[in-house]
Amino acid sequence: KAGVTQTPRYLIKTRGQQVTLSCSPISGHRSVSWYQQTPGQGLQFLFEYFSETQRNKGNFPGRFSGRQFSNSRSEMNVSTLELGDSALYLCASSLEGTGNYGYTFGSGTRLTVV
Amino acid sequence: GQSLEQPSEVTAVEGAIVQINCTYQTSGFYGLSWYQQHDGGAPTFLSYNGLDGLEETGRFSSFLSRSDSYGYLLLQELQMKDSASYFCAVRDRGGTGRRALTFGSGTRLQVQP
Repeated sequence: KAGVTQTPRYLIKTRGQQVTLSCSPISGHRSVSWYQQTPGQGLQFLFEYFSETQRNKGNFPGRFSGRQFSNSRSEMNVSTLELGDSALYLCASSLEGTGNYGYTFGSGTRLTVV
Repeated sequence: GQSLEQPSEVTAVEGAIVQINCTYQTSGFYGLSWYQQHDGGAPTFLSYNGLDGLEETGRFSSFLSRSDSYGYLLLQELQMKDSASYFCAVRDRGGTGRRALTFGSGTRLQVQP
C-alpha cells in the first residue's frame, strides 16, 4: 500500500511570506502528526489531528496552524515566515494515534526561508 | 514536561554489538519507542516497549525498565547499513490528556569496516 505522501518535497520562500504543506496519510490511518526537524533542535512536535480534530499541540507560535480533512489528508500552514522556520517538516500517520504500533513518516518537505 | 537523554554519537565496527541508552523524565508514561533515520531519509519505526523487559526483532532488541525510567536499543551483528541516527521517543500524559510522541535528540551511530 502507498506510504505517507508529503508535497512539495522542497520549497524556497521569502521571509514574511506564508506557506502551506500537504500530507496524505496511509489509507485507513486517521491520525496525522506534524514535526519540525532541525539540526539544532531535533524533532519537535507541532500538532496532531485525529478524525479532523486537533488533539494535541506543541509549543510553537500561532503562526503555525494545521487542519485535517474528512479523508484524513492534512495541511499545515506557516504564516509570516521567519528565517528560523527553515527546517524539514515531517508528517507521520498512524491507525489510531497511540503510536504503539509505530508512526509511519513521510519523506518530509524541506522548507528554506531566505 | 518531559525530557529524554541519549548519547549524541556512538561508533562501532562491523559485526559488533552496540547499545544505545535512553533515560526519560515524563509525567505519566505510555511506552518507549525507537526510530531509525538515515541521512536524508524519513524516520522509520523500529520497536515499542509498553511493559518492562526485552523485545526482540531480528538483529534489534529493545529493553525497558519503567522503575528506572530507562531503556536501550541493542543492535547486534552490526552492518554498514546500520549507520544512521537512532531516536528514542515517549508518549506521556500531559495536563489536558495524552500527549503526542516526544523524541530524544538522537544518537548518531557510525559503523566502521
